Amino acid sequence: GENVEQHPSTLSVQEGDSAVIKCTYSDSASNYFPWYKQELGKRPQLIIDIRSNVGEKKDQRIAVTLNKTAKHFSLHITETQPEDSAVYFCAASKGYQAGTALIFGKGTTLSVSS
Amino acid sequence: DGGITQSPKYLFRKEGQNVTLSCEQNLNHDAMYWYRQDPGQGLRLIYYSQIVNDFQKGDIAEGYSVSREKKESFPLTVTSAQKNPTAFYLCASSIPPAGGPYEQFFGPGTRLTVL
Repeated sequence: GENVEQHPSTLSVQEGDSAVIKCTYSDSASNYFPWYKQELGKRPQLIIDIRSNVGEKKDQRIAVTLNKTAKHFSLHITETQPEDSAVYFCAASKGYQAGTALIFGKGTTLSVSS
Repeated sequence: DGGITQSPKYLFRKEGQNVTLSCEQNLNHDAMYWYRQDPGQGLRLIYYSQIVNDFQKGDIAEGYSVSREKKESFPLTVTSAQKNPTAFYLCASSIPPAGGPYEQFFGPGTRLTVL
């Protein structure tokens, strides 16, 4: 089955710096890659996602890049702010219809200090 | 995500007892999921259901059971066969917007502790 590896497990940056979180996946049939953010004590929420037919997607300060050949995708956060501090999870699935299972990475704890 | 509720928020169980975690959604979502979250382990899929009266095992289904008799409800039973049940359990639901992709909406979670 699919296996998703996520690195680093913890990441500390200064406010204003950029943060990059990387994930690799094992199943070449995977074609949908979302990123979820979980703030302390709260539920995970989708922040950005990308399909396999797209190489990059941006939404204000966050972006995701996908390299299908290498089977890895990355989350980029620019101009980090203290409110970006949270646990970030990448995930992969073989489809994007409801009911398709997401396989999550183990998460990255991002700490942004002011 | 406010349309998904889980109860109770905290649950304590003695070893050898079965316990059922509730998950209800009023979002009219077809698909529902159960995840287990442990520190440093991410979200691991236990069971998921695409439609009423149908469900599939996830990666860590052993020691768990589910039912999907109603679209709105997807209860999870943690049985005595689950060797290490102490964890945070998250329920989610999803429906694809036209053209996809889909977003999973999570409930607030239930923290289960085995005494």
